[in-house]
Amino acid sequence: AQSVTQLDSHVSVSEGTPVLLRCNYSSSYSPSLFWYVQHPNKGLQLLLKYTSAATLVKGINGFEAEFKKSETSFHLTKPSAHMSDAAEYFCVVSDNAGGTSYGKLTFGQGTILTVHP
Amino acid sequence: KAGVTQTPRYLIKTRGQQVTLSCSPISGHRSVSWYQQTPGQGLQFLFEYFSETQRNKGNFPGRFSGRQFSNSRSEMNVSTLELGDSALYLCASKGGGSRTEAFFGQGTRLTVV
Repeated sequence: AQSVTQLDSHVSVSEGTPVLLRCNYSSSYSPSLFWYVQHPNKGLQLLLKYTSAATLVKGINGFEAEFKKSETSFHLTKPSAHMSDAAEYFCVVSDNAGGTSYGKLTFGQGTILTVHP
Repeated sequence: KAGVTQTPRYLIKTRGQQVTLSCSPISGHRSVSWYQQTPGQGLQFLFEYFSETQRNKGNFPGRFSGRQFSNSRSEMNVSTLELGDSALYLCASKGGGSRTEAFFGQGTRLTVV
């Protein structure tokens, strides 16, 4: 079984300051982990993914995340927030049972990021 | 390369009616999954189809069903609509190989009145 916990439902930062969105996961198998972003009334866009290669993953728009197996965490960071980063962010886990990548994704509850001028 | 296309974008239905939503995946993708997004429950997995077979199913009542055609296009059907079925329904397509990411459509916003 797999599960995801996003530790903050809302995060508020000032433009130009660092962003930290926290995520812990649980997985019975070797997981793939993803961060997706959703702007209002839009679909989900992939920010970055961890698939068992490098533990520090770089994504689009300056975001990055570090996979820490010992802490079962996959926190998302960005050095300097921009107004356009305001959106809802989802941490997502996918089990890779038996080496097969099934299509089922398990989502965290989401973190709404607000960026103040 | 065209993305994932969902139709219609918006739908208003009356309680007790049924509805069919459509999803065309990215060309070459054989896996199509459906998700329900509501403010209270977040994003929940409905089911996944791969090469016309349901490969995985979430915890939803039998009123929710789906199918996939030989060209990988998928449809989702909800019968006997309830007010609680009002949600954004998202479709995702996935390519082959292990550990690949899913690509999402814009969703269909269903309102049940």
